[in-house]
Amino acid sequence: AQSVSQHNHHVILSEAASLELGCNYSYGGTVNLFWYVQYPGQHLQLLLKYFSGDPLVKGIKGFEAEFIKSKFSFNLRKPSVQWSDTAEYFCAVNAGAAGNKLTFGGGTRVLVKP
Amino acid sequence: ETGVTQSPTHLIKTRGQQVTLRCSSQSGHNTVSWYQQALGQGPQFIFQYYREEENGRGNFPPRFSGLQFPNYSSELNVNALELDDSALYLCASSSSGTSVYEQYFGPGTRLTVT
Repeated sequence: AQSVSQHNHHVILSEAASLELGCNYSYGGTVNLFWYVQYPGQHLQLLLKYFSGDPLVKGIKGFEAEFIKSKFSFNLRKPSVQWSDTAEYFCAVNAGAAGNKLTFGGGTRVLVKP
Repeated sequence: ETGVTQSPTHLIKTRGQQVTLRCSSQSGHNTVSWYQQALGQGPQFIFQYYREEENGRGNFPPRFSGLQFPNYSSELNVNALELDDSALYLCASSSSGTSVYEQYFGPGTRLTVT
């Protein structure tokens, strides 16, 4: 069965600091990869996605993620965070054989101090 | 374009009771997936409905059941509620016609079982 691991449960940083959140998945076949964000009091929103092609994908709000197939990783990055980036971030994987089901990681809570 | 809506927002039930949660999919979407998000965890796939039939199921017992209606809205039913069923229940819709794997989430229904 596929699984997704997010290494950090909580991250605290100051505004303008760089952010990198780790995500590793276990599935050897073709995968579709996603990062979702949940701002306080709001629903899950798609930040970015990777289906194929350029392994460096850019999403909304200045976020980007890099797919490294050999490492089964899809890490999320932002060069300079803002207070408004305070949220919970979820990595999710859809593996080809699993149909349209998303498997989520446990999430990383990010707190950006002003 | 109308997003995914869910009702009710919050619900409190007693152990052993039954509950029905409702979801209206985003305009143009014909596929609905349900997820359970326990406190401090990532969402877990319950099942998916496409063309009014179950199209994939996660590791949940049969007392979790669902329906999809001709207008693509959906219900999640849980019988014989247990304390561990307390969670945020998320509905996500997607379209088989375009990017099948991109799911759009509703705000969720917070279920508390006492």
